[in-house]
Amino acid sequence: DGGITQSPKYLFRKEGQNVTLSCEQNLNHDAMYWYRQDPGQGLRLIYYSQIVNDFQKGDIAEGYSVSREKKESFPLTVTSAQKNPTAFYLCASSMTGNQPQHFGDGTRLSIL
Amino acid sequence: GEDVEQSLFLSVREGDSSVINCTYTDSSSTYLYWYKQEPGAGLQLLTYIFSNMDMKQDQRLTVLLNKKDKHLSLRIADTQTGDSAIYFCAESYGSSNTGKLIFGQGTTLQVKP
Repeated sequence: DGGITQSPKYLFRKEGQNVTLSCEQNLNHDAMYWYRQDPGQGLRLIYYSQIVNDFQKGDIAEGYSVSREKKESFPLTVTSAQKNPTAFYLCASSMTGNQPQHFGDGTRLSIL
Repeated sequence: GEDVEQSLFLSVREGDSSVINCTYTDSSSTYLYWYKQEPGAGLQLLTYIFSNMDMKQDQRLTVLLNKKDKHLSLRIADTQTGDSAIYFCAESYGSSNTGKLIFGQGTTLQVKP
């Protein structure tokens, strides 16, 4: 079945530690996105990529980094510079930038 | 800046119709979307409407778009307990094809038996 797979479902980070969230899609979509969701709020865009080897900052990129070396993969690293990383992280993809986005099931990140 | 506003909570009885409302600010939006989120899950695309349309119907779902008032609504007919979830309205912002979306804060729909 085609879809978007995020792993792990739950992740814990120690102070000063970098962690990487995985996002893989087998939909052959060109564009991929990372969002952050905080309780009672909508989604905020962290980074997006419209094509392999290219990505742009979203509205809240500080403390995060991404790479897009393969079409199907768009990993997100939450660095130690991100002072409030506890949130629900959602990855999405779309055929192109002006097509509907489809979402993975999310990764919940907590601080130990 | 661009903004999307939704009411936070709606409660209906099973079998009634639900209407979830959304207002947006970017008049150049190309598409407007409705997503559903169940607890602990990602977002499920329900439907979307192109900005040059006034209405779109898809089985129990009806989307109405009033471009003059920048108002979008989602009507769910014959609401079921399985429809209980958070519903997000989103607009594509800007006229470019970046795919950037602005989301509302979500409307929690509670369906009582």
